[in-house]
Amino acid sequence: AQTVTQSQPEMSVQEAETVTLSCTYDTSENNYYLFWYKQPPSRQMILVIRQEAYKQQNATENRFSVNFQKAAKSFSLKISDSQLGDTAMYFCALLTQEYALNFGKGTSLLVTP
Amino acid sequence: DTGVSQDPRHKITKRGQNVTFRCDPISEHNRLYWYRQTLGQGPEFLTYFQNEAQLEKSRLLSDRFSAERPKGSFSTLEIQRTEQGDSAMYLCASSLDRGPSPLHFGNGTRLTVT
Repeated sequence: AQTVTQSQPEMSVQEAETVTLSCTYDTSENNYYLFWYKQPPSRQMILVIRQEAYKQQNATENRFSVNFQKAAKSFSLKISDSQLGDTAMYFCALLTQEYALNFGKGTSLLVTP
Repeated sequence: DTGVSQDPRHKITKRGQNVTFRCDPISEHNRLYWYRQTLGQGPEFLTYFQNEAQLEKSRLLSDRFSAERPKGSFSTLEIQRTEQGDSAMYLCASSLDRGPSPLHFGNGTRLTVT
């Protein structure tokens, strides 16, 4: 079975600061993908960043980067220079060869002025 | 590419009624997924199609739920004899048929059962 755990239900950060959201996962497969999705109050789920398990280099997308620790099964998301528009629910997700995406419970991020 | 489209956006129904939702995936995407999301929770997998074939169903998908994708394009999700516990956001997503590809989500259909 695949599981994804996000241990921070809520987080808050001031505008322009950096915040890190945590995620741990469990899978017996060796080939898998990890994703962070953002769900703003408008409710549409948007892909933020993806990481292939076979790649050692951490993925980066503009202000978003991940810290992927395969041995520890940890996949944290760092948001630099936080903006008010980053306020949203953030979901960590695991995709294995079964092709069904498993989500964590999410972290609600509030960016304050 | 107009993205994943879901209809209706909102549905209010009385307990015991049947409801049907529609999802139109991104045109070149062969895979289509249905998820259910309740307030404050992450999306939970319901079922998955590759073209017209329904390849996987979650234990969450009771016999009151049925999903189809008859021509491998749009999909419908029907809930029969709705219960208050069915109230949730129903999300549709699609992806390419090329290894583990990212899912692209629609805006969802919010179901309220009164």
